[in-house]
Amino acid sequence: GAVVSQHPSRVICKSGTSVKIECRSLDFQATTMFWYRQFPKQSLMLMATSNEGSKATYEQGVEKDKFLINHASLTLSTLTVTSAHPEDSSFYICSAPGGTAPDEQYFGPGTRLTVT
Amino acid sequence: GQQLNQSPQSMFIQEGEDVSMNCTSSSIFNTWLWYKQEPGEGPVLLIALYKAGELTSNGRLTAQFGITRKDSFLNISASIPSDVGIYFCAGPLLSGGSNYKLTFGKGTLLTVNP
Repeated sequence: GAVVSQHPSRVICKSGTSVKIECRSLDFQATTMFWYRQFPKQSLMLMATSNEGSKATYEQGVEKDKFLINHASLTLSTLTVTSAHPEDSSFYICSAPGGTAPDEQYFGPGTRLTVT
Repeated sequence: GQQLNQSPQSMFIQEGEDVSMNCTSSSIFNTWLWYKQEPGEGPVLLIALYKAGELTSNGRLTAQFGITRKDSFLNISASIPSDVGIYFCAGPLLSGGSNYKLTFGKGTLLTVNP
């Protein structure tokens, strides 16, 4: 299957700072990528759809000024958590459609964010 | 929004036993996807189903797409300790253009006792 990477895998930051998470499609191009957030023992919650060359589409209740998304190339999307607070601590996962069918999504390994 | 009802929430089984989990929806899906997530990792696609009634296998895993297109099940035969993880069903919904957004079930946590 298609391979998606994320960097960093873990990050600890202080409250009030910003953190950038990268999502890369390694062996395919992705005009669309998706960003999810997952709390312990819960399912994945879609935060936003990242669109190459245009603005991201955010799900209801997700603050676009808090979670900045940039999709500058066909293989890279970034999520920046601005002015992070402890409640932003979570597991962030990206995905991209990479199979022969556009509705198959392949996920990155996730980024564990801890805000102290 | 669309919801997928996945059951059971958790299962504790002995190594060698077979496992079955399922997902239902009030809406029709044209595709059903089954993922496995291990602790601290992203979900990995196990099986994709595209046709109502389709039965697809991937090693010891077998999944079926219900005839009504509103349900799917996943079976794991002869479980082994490395089958431990959370299994999610997911259904893609067209969200504009050719983009699909995934709706997830709440997951089935599988524990296998050696």
